[in-house]
Amino acid sequence: QSVLTQPPSVSAAPGQKVTISCSGSSSNIGDNFVSWYQQLPGTAPKLVIYDNDRRPSGIPDRFSGSKSGTSATLGITGLQTGDEADYYCGTWDSSLSTVIFGGGTKLTVL
Amino acid sequence: QVQLQESGPGLVKPSETLSLTCTVSRGSVSSGDYYWGWIRQSPWKGLEWIGDISYRGRTNFNPSLKSRVTILLDTSKNQFSLRLSSVTAADTAVYYCARVAYGKDCDFWGQGTLVTVSS
Repeated sequence: QSVLTQPPSVSAAPGQKVTISCSGSSSNIGDNFVSWYQQLPGTAPKLVIYDNDRRPSGIPDRFSGSKSGTSATLGITGLQTGDEADYYCGTWDSSLSTVIFGGGTKLTVL
Repeated sequence: QVQLQESGPGLVKPSETLSLTCTVSRGSVSSGDYYWGWIRQSPWKGLEWIGDISYRGRTNFNPSLKSRVTILLDTSKNQFSLRLSSVTAADTAVYYCARVAYGKDCDFWGQGTLVTVSS
């Protein structure tokens, strides 16, 4: 069981908006930056959000990130079928002294 | 854009040492702005951080693996490597190398390589 808790799955229709939550504690999300990764089937994870709410070059502004207390949220608007993937949150845990990841959320675009 | 490529045996026997190399192109492992890390992924443990190394050779390891892990940097070849000793079936996973920013986000990843531990 992961230290960071994500819902196993979310779904929404094309064009709609979806949010994915990531819940942690004061030693990880509460005290450190959160990043989000998109993993398409059979490929490596790809960074879509870093430092809680910043987008790497090339990531569309349909993707957004936020953090409040010990939870973080990834938002995706204008959903496309190409957004179907597993999404993972990650952060440093100051107590465990390592990077930790959530268990992943499978996004289905109906 | 920076590119990373893992290489190494896809099959390792139990109790032996897993060895992988990550070759970096279009970027330098000598850059002071980044660390270089290893992450693995398995169906039973999900994504698991193994550790990383700076251009000065400073390392950080996941405490759960620290006793078995070595990460080395070879600036002459623009590579870094992973060694995991005394492997068991539980170490079977896809192993990724990645460039790591100081916020511990991984902005570039290799394609990953499956390593199976089996006799």
